[in-house]
Amino acid sequence: EVQLVESGGVVVQPGGSLRLSCVASGFSFDEYTMHWVRQAPGKGLEWVSLISWDGARTYYADSVKGRLTISRDNSKNSLYLQMNSLRTEDTALYFCSKDISIRGYSGSDFWGQGTLVTVSS
Amino acid sequence: EIVMTQSPATLSVSPGESATLSCRASQSVSSHLAWYQQKPGQAPRLLIYGASTRATGIPARFSGSGSGTEFTLTISNLQSEDSAVYYCQQYNNWPPYAFGQGTKLEI
Repeated sequence: EVQLVESGGVVVQPGGSLRLSCVASGFSFDEYTMHWVRQAPGKGLEWVSLISWDGARTYYADSVKGRLTISRDNSKNSLYLQMNSLRTEDTALYFCSKDISIRGYSGSDFWGQGTLVTVSS
Repeated sequence: EIVMTQSPATLSVSPGESATLSCRASQSVSSHLAWYQQKPGQAPRLLIYGASTRATGIPARFSGSGSGTEFTLTISNLQSEDSAVYYCQQYNNWPPYAFGQGTKLEI
């Protein structure tokens, strides 16, 4: 059974930093692209970032480029999102998700339950 | 950057009837389109990918169609548990993997 469990969401002040983690199980983690998607309170889904199965390629939404950094450790079946220079508009529930395709770039077939990041003074 | 537009914003349908949800892309995304269902307090669930392929475990009541810029999600024989927000997402031309703004379906 595929499981994705996020952690690390907290209340942080504007300009602050934190790192989100996502631990995966139930599939060959090192064969799949992974994504971060966020959802502000009462709003829709916003794709944030992806990292290829080997960690060689990373991509970001313009809204987070230069402030958020995605990474992975395939030896630990873990995905990370380093968040720096946080803004109030980064307040959201952050989901990690698994790509549909082996060594590809598609939609997301499995999602974690999310971890809440609140940026507030 | 591709913009995804969903319509209508809200749709109210009676149990047993069918619902048709639309998604339009600002430029062609071929068949690289997915549909998700999200219920309150839950993570999104993949329904359809490749515009028309049902994900594992998704009932045949859910069907997707379209290609290029116009896509449709049809849900037949609606049940109360189908009440949710439905999102489309393109993965043809990225970044970003753009989502539509969602259609809220009320049964």
